[in-house]
Amino acid sequence: KNQVEQSPQSLIILEGKNCTLQCNYTVSPFSNLRWYKQDTGRGPVSLTIMTFSENTKSNGRYTATLDADTKQSSLHITASQLSDSASYICVVSDRGGYSTLTFGKGTMLLVSP
Amino acid sequence: DTEVTQTPKHLVMGMTNKKSLKCEQHMGHRAMYWYKQKAKKPPELMFVYSYEKLSINESVPSRFSPECPNSSLLNLHLHALQPEDSALYLCASSQDRAGGWSYNEQFFGPGTRLTVL
Repeated sequence: KNQVEQSPQSLIILEGKNCTLQCNYTVSPFSNLRWYKQDTGRGPVSLTIMTFSENTKSNGRYTATLDADTKQSSLHITASQLSDSASYICVVSDRGGYSTLTFGKGTMLLVSP
Repeated sequence: DTEVTQTPKHLVMGMTNKKSLKCEQHMGHRAMYWYKQKAKKPPELMFVYSYEKLSINESVPSRFSPECPNSSLLNLHLHALQPEDSALYLCASSQDRAGGWSYNEQFFGPGTRLTVL
């Protein structure tokens, strides 16, 4: 069964600090991995999307890494801002004819002043 | 236009009411999705439409009835809901469900917060 596990479940950091969120997956055959940011009560917004051959991808202060051998990904947030407070969801797509998405449960990040 | 819009933003309904959620996109996407998301849980897929035809129904109760009038619109008709159906309902679209990965990036709408009394 395809699964995506995220850690930590929640995280509190001070404004301006960096943090790293983790994602482990067992999805086969693997197609791509994406990180979404979801504000409370809002739809998810895509941050990065990586395929098998990509090791790292950046989007502003967000940098995602992917190790397809160990099936792990991380999302690093640099110089956090209060507006970064949200749930960060790791989503993995398989490579079937009709691809489906497997969602992680998300990491709830709170950036405090 | 790279946006998926959903209306209404909030909806409160009784268990005997009939209501509809609406979703619209003008990106030329041919696949549209409904998800249900409970608090602090990931979204759960409900329905997938591909080229205006229902291609996936994830064993959703019949009190939820999807409709795809055209390639830009997706509705979710609600009838005789239960309080446990209260959730955030998300609509998403992608260029297509089949084909290479670049065609299945899903763009999400802001959601409709549904409360069933």
